[in-house]
Amino acid sequence: DAGVIQSPRHEVTEMGQEVTLRCKPISGHDYLFWYRQTMMRGLELLIYFNNNVPIDDSGMPEDRFSAKMPNASFSTLKIQPSEPRDSAVYFCASSPNLNTEAFFGQGTRLTVV
Amino acid sequence: AQSVTQLDSQVPVFEEAPVELRCNYSSSVSVYLFWYVQYPNQGLQLLLKYLSGSTLVKGINGFEAEFNKSQTSFHLRKPSVHISDTAEYFCAVNTGNQFYFGTGTSLTVIP
Repeated sequence: DAGVIQSPRHEVTEMGQEVTLRCKPISGHDYLFWYRQTMMRGLELLIYFNNNVPIDDSGMPEDRFSAKMPNASFSTLKIQPSEPRDSAVYFCASSPNLNTEAFFGQGTRLTVV
Repeated sequence: AQSVTQLDSQVPVFEEAPVELRCNYSSSVSVYLFWYVQYPNQGLQLLLKYLSGSTLVKGINGFEAEFNKSQTSFHLRKPSVHISDTAEYFCAVNTGNQFYFGTGTSLTVIP
């Protein structure tokens, strides 16, 4: 397996624009997590899914953020409209269950100018 | 509530010296414990994990960690570090509900 695949690796956008981050989890993994990493706040869990269903979205910062998982092999994190303070590295991770480790993608570095 | 505390935000150490990165957690239930390493501009990579069994866990790159239930700790150790070990290290706890990550420890190995 190629591991968790995220795209794009880098995204630069202007304030107010819509941004969509994409993630392909490892095949057979039932759990998918979206994290945000910044210098100030470290690694924050935004939302996670179990079998494509959102389980906990309490970490989603505002209504501008939304996440979907239309099927077991694809998830998106959308920010609309984007703001400079959304600049961060966004990681997607997947796990076969909650009794073992999570596998991380390479991340998407988002810069909002 | 569950939480993970990494007591040292930055640890400088000379090459070939031993190192210990500290991690404490709080949880009212049984936990699974992990250490991840993050190299610059990369994702998090699993170093080692404790799920059950022996409390001394060996991982990749010569790292090991010991689960101490009474002290609720899971400190990471390496007897002799290399320049290539310079990275950010994250301790994580899984209570069977979700993952909780510490704030990370930046390890810098000095030549």
